[in-house]
Amino acid sequence: DSGVTQTPKHLITATGQRVTLRCSPRSGDLSVYWYQQSLDQGLQFLIQYYNGEERAKGNILERFSAQQFPDLHSELNLSSLELGDSALYFCASSVDVKGYGYTFGSGTRLTVV
Amino acid sequence: DQQVKQNSPSLSVQEGRISILNCDYTNSMFDYFLWYKKYPAEGPTFLISISSIKDKNEDGRFTVFLNKSAKHLSLHIVPSQPGDSAVYFCAASRARGSQGGSEKLVFGKGTKLTVNP
Repeated sequence: DSGVTQTPKHLITATGQRVTLRCSPRSGDLSVYWYQQSLDQGLQFLIQYYNGEERAKGNILERFSAQQFPDLHSELNLSSLELGDSALYFCASSVDVKGYGYTFGSGTRLTVV
Repeated sequence: DQQVKQNSPSLSVQEGRISILNCDYTNSMFDYFLWYKKYPAEGPTFLISISSIKDKNEDGRFTVFLNKSAKHLSLHIVPSQPGDSAVYFCAASRARGSQGGSEKLVFGKGTKLTVNP
C-alpha cells in the first residue's frame, strides 16, 4: 500500500456521461497530481494542486476539472465523456519532488463505451 | 512536444546480464531526474533519482548515469533478475518554484523490460 488511495479502481461508463475520480493523498503530503496514461502513451500530466490551490496545469481538456478539498483529498471530474477518454488515471502526492518524487496511487481504469 | 524521450519501447535481456535503459531530454532547465518502475495493475513506484549536480547515483543493483552535455541519462540494472520485468519510466523536473510546493514531473513513454530466466 503506497498510502495514496484512489477510488474507484475500475469504472465503465457510456459516452456523454460524467464521472468523478477520487484521490486521498499520503498523510502529510500537500501536493496532489493527476496523470493520464492512454494506450502506448506515457504519463501525461493533467493538473496539480498544492494545499487546496491549483498549482500547475498540463494537457487537461476543458471537459475535465479538478479540485482539492480542505482535507487535501482531490477529485477529478470528467464530463461529456468520449471514447478517447478511456485510460488509466493516476493520482500522486508529494511533499517535495526532490528525493523520492511522487508516491502514486494504483490508478483508476476508466472505460468509456 | 516530447521533452522526455525513451526511444526504446521494449528491451529483453537474460537473467544475470546487464539491463541498460536510456532516456533523453530536451529541456535544459530540468535539474532533477527520476526513474520509476511500473508493474501491471499498479501505480508507478519510485526507483532511483539523480540531481543535475551529479553524474552518477547508485543504489544496490541500480545505477543512474547523467550526461548533461548530451542531455542523456541511463539506468543500469546489474545483475538483471526476472522480478525486474516491468515498464520503466524516466521522469524529469525543473527547479522547485517559488512559495514552496512541488514541480510537476515530465515523464517519458516508458520502456518495457523483460528479463528472461
